[in-house]
Amino acid sequence: EVQLVESGGGLVQPGGSLRLSCAASGFTFSSYSMSWVRQAPGKGLEWLSYISRSSSTIYYADSVEGRFTISRDNAKNSLYLQMNSLRDDDTAVYYCARDETSWGSYRYWGQGALVTVSP
Amino acid sequence: QSALTQPASVSGSPGQSITISCTGTSSDVGSYDLVSWYQQHPGKAPKLMIYEVSKRPSGVSNRFSGSKSGNTASLTISGLQTEDEADYYCCSYAGSRTVVFGGGTKLTVL
Repeated sequence: EVQLVESGGGLVQPGGSLRLSCAASGFTFSSYSMSWVRQAPGKGLEWLSYISRSSSTIYYADSVEGRFTISRDNAKNSLYLQMNSLRDDDTAVYYCARDETSWGSYRYWGQGALVTVSP
Repeated sequence: QSALTQPASVSGSPGQSITISCTGTSSDVGSYDLVSWYQQHPGKAPKLMIYEVSKRPSGVSNRFSGSKSGNTASLTISGLQTEDEADYYCCSYAGSRTVVFGGGTKLTVL
């Protein structure tokens, strides 16, 4: 069974940093690209970042470019999102998702990790 | 990277059919057959219902279908059931290796 489990969420002050992790199991992690998607409270979904299987290709949404860094460790079956210079509007549930064969198709999602940015 | 436009809400009665629209631009929906649709129940992760405009993942009911015309994609749910009540999001490849979601549509089954 494919499982994605996020961890590392919590309360952080504006300007602070946080690192999210996503532990993958039930599939060959190194064979899939991965993405991060977030959802602010009561709002819609927002794509954040993509990383290819070997980490050779990485993309970011304009809203997080230069502040967030996506990475992965295939030996540990893990995906990461380093978030720096956090702002109030970064408050959201953060999901990791497995990329399928076509862009924007995510069949498997984690349960989400809540990040709250507040003084 | 502007969000795709969806109606805020739609409603229907059990057994009826409804259609949710998703309007983008010639840079996203209109340029690529890479539109997907997600269903999200409160407090849950999104579930992929349609990908590549009209393809259904295994296990998704054939009551769900997708289509596209120009810059607008559509999700149709036939034979509405109470468990279909949820939020629905469209998603499209937007070029330059980016993805854009719609603002979401709340479906109420009356």
